[in-house]
Amino acid sequence: NAGVTQTPKFQVLKTGQSMTLQCAQDMNHEYMSWYRQDPGMGLRLIHYSVGAGITDQGEVPNGYNVSRSTTEDFPLRLLSAAPSQTSVYFCASRSTTTEAFFGQGTRLTVV
Amino acid sequence: KQEVTQIPAALSVPEGENLVLNCSFTDSAIYNLQWFRQDPGKGLTSLLLIQSSQREQTSGRLNASLDKSSGRSTLYIAASQPGDSATYLCAVRPGEDRLAFGKGNQVVVIP
Repeated sequence: NAGVTQTPKFQVLKTGQSMTLQCAQDMNHEYMSWYRQDPGMGLRLIHYSVGAGITDQGEVPNGYNVSRSTTEDFPLRLLSAAPSQTSVYFCASRSTTTEAFFGQGTRLTVV
Repeated sequence: KQEVTQIPAALSVPEGENLVLNCSFTDSAIYNLQWFRQDPGKGLTSLLLIQSSQREQTSGRLNASLDKSSGRSTLYIAASQPGDSATYLCAVRPGEDRLAFGKGNQVVVIP
């Protein structure tokens, strides 16, 4: 049971580049979400999904897209990277009755 | 908007002392509250989940209480060890879709 798996662990992007952060869970959880963690700001919700085909915006969605074509996968797309998107990104999943489980994070630097 | 506060931001205790970490939240309408541990450069590890109908949860040396009406939770760690050094995060679930996080208590246990 791998839990929540995020790839890559580290990434450096140039301003204006695009990329996709991958998130996969093997617990058959309905709910998945993306957070970013910044010093002094805590964790903030970017986007979330309550099931395959259903996504919605969180607190800081600008500059990011998501889709949920399967229960297992919830990729986060950066459309045109900006230095303000330098952060640590965490994916989480849970079912209706369980605690939230987090991946190990992706550390992204935009130069 | 739900606000979660953790005070103090940082603390040091001698090995063997009991740790007491406080979390307060502004809106008592929550589904549950979860305590996490985060080591430097790592992901979030779930420690305890307290449902809104519960008053406390225990796991080994850890005990967490919840007073929903006053918007408070306390995490107790008995007989602290150097391996308990980490950042502890409190998160409440105000809705089906999200967690609202505090900024954490950074703990150092001095041998």
